[in-house]
Amino acid sequence: GQNIDQPTEMTATEGAIVQINCTYQTSGFNGLFWYQQHAGEAPTFLSYNVLDGLEEKGRFSSFLSRSKGYSYLLLKELQMKDSASYLCAVLTGTASKLTFGTGTRLQVML
Amino acid sequence: DSGVTQTPKHLITATGQRVTLRCSPRSGDLSVYWYQQSLDQGLQFLIQYYNGEERAKGNILERFSAQQFPDLHSELNLSSLELGDSALYFCASSVSLVPGETQYFGPGTRLLVL
Repeated sequence: GQNIDQPTEMTATEGAIVQINCTYQTSGFNGLFWYQQHAGEAPTFLSYNVLDGLEEKGRFSSFLSRSKGYSYLLLKELQMKDSASYLCAVLTGTASKLTFGTGTRLQVML
Repeated sequence: DSGVTQTPKHLITATGQRVTLRCSPRSGDLSVYWYQQSLDQGLQFLIQYYNGEERAKGNILERFSAQQFPDLHSELNLSSLELGDSALYFCASSVSLVPGETQYFGPGTRLLVL
């Protein structure tokens, strides 16, 4: 089976940097996604990692270590609008099956 | 706006009833996925269709069924509804089955079973 762990909640200050960790145990790993979800809204794509290393995209970066079953999402220059849930999802198998973690609720404070 | 549409936005019904949720994928996308999101369980994969054929099944109950039509829209049928079926139901689509392709999510249907 699949097991994905993320912290339930995090708080950070506007303008700061926050790192959201995700650890996973899966079989047939085909990559890891990060999605952002505001309350009651649809998840929106942030990043995809399939090879080890860091992928940078503006204020957001995502890191993957396949050997350690570990990823993190790094958010820089935090803004109030970044307050949302961040979902780590692992892609497995040949049918593009996504298994989501329960999400990390980030609150950005003034 | 992801380009994925879902109807209805909200649905209130009673236990024992049956409902149908509808999803239209982004133009050109052949693959459709259904997810259930409840407060205590997070986003759970239910089922995937590709070009009309079922491709993968997750934790979908036997009371639930889905299909994808020739025009690629999809419907999720929920029957003998129970209180615990109250949740947000999302549809997502992607172009093909290539691993790593982004799934784009619709706005969801909020189902409340009373």
